[in-house]
Amino acid sequence: QQQVKQSPQSLIVQKGGISIINCAYENTAFDYFPWYQQFPGKGPALLIAIRPDVSEKKEGRFTISFNKSAKQFSLHIMDSQPGDSATYFCAASGQVKGGADGLTFGKGTHLIIQP
Amino acid sequence: ETGVTQTPRHLVMGMTNKKSLKCEQHLGHNAMYWYKQSAKKPLELMFVYSLEERVENNSVPSRFSPECPNSSHLFLHLHTLQPEDSALYLCASSQRVSSYNEQFFGPGTRLTVL
Repeated sequence: QQQVKQSPQSLIVQKGGISIINCAYENTAFDYFPWYQQFPGKGPALLIAIRPDVSEKKEGRFTISFNKSAKQFSLHIMDSQPGDSATYFCAASGQVKGGADGLTFGKGTHLIIQP
Repeated sequence: ETGVTQTPRHLVMGMTNKKSLKCEQHLGHNAMYWYKQSAKKPLELMFVYSLEERVENNSVPSRFSPECPNSSHLFLHLHTLQPEDSALYLCASSQRVSSYNEQFFGPGTRLTVL
């Protein structure tokens, strides 16, 4: 119930294209869904996050789409650029145990944007 | 120094050694975390501290021993590790322990156990 399943494991997109990464969760107690971006040699950094009271959130070229009934959410990167090449992690958290909780992460997607 | 720093960045140790990883956050946060990042596996939460008190331990083996002497510093003491413990160990901090607080990660310590 604590799992977050992420796909694809790796993705190659041409410059200017749309990159789409999907995640699914099982635990209905999750109520916060962030996406983290990680470059080689760096720790993950928060990219964008959503709560389940909205179905979409957009920040610049990055959009999260959220489907509460399907328990799925996805990251869309519009006009993908070579600088977007990184590993992307979806995550989920919530007051699962009635107290403090860390993030439950997906396995990550290695994204390569080809010039 | 800004953000979250970790030392050392790389560590090679034998199974009988004792070593410690250090994390320091310069953000004025009250919560700190240890995560383990292994190849082809999700980041795994190991420990959570809030105001220097441990609030969560995700069933981590006793060969990993955390210490949080104050809200800015976090240590992970290692002893009699196994080769499968080789991984990137990430420290993170957040303003407080809450689902909605952004976690800021350090660059990690790449640990290799021989």
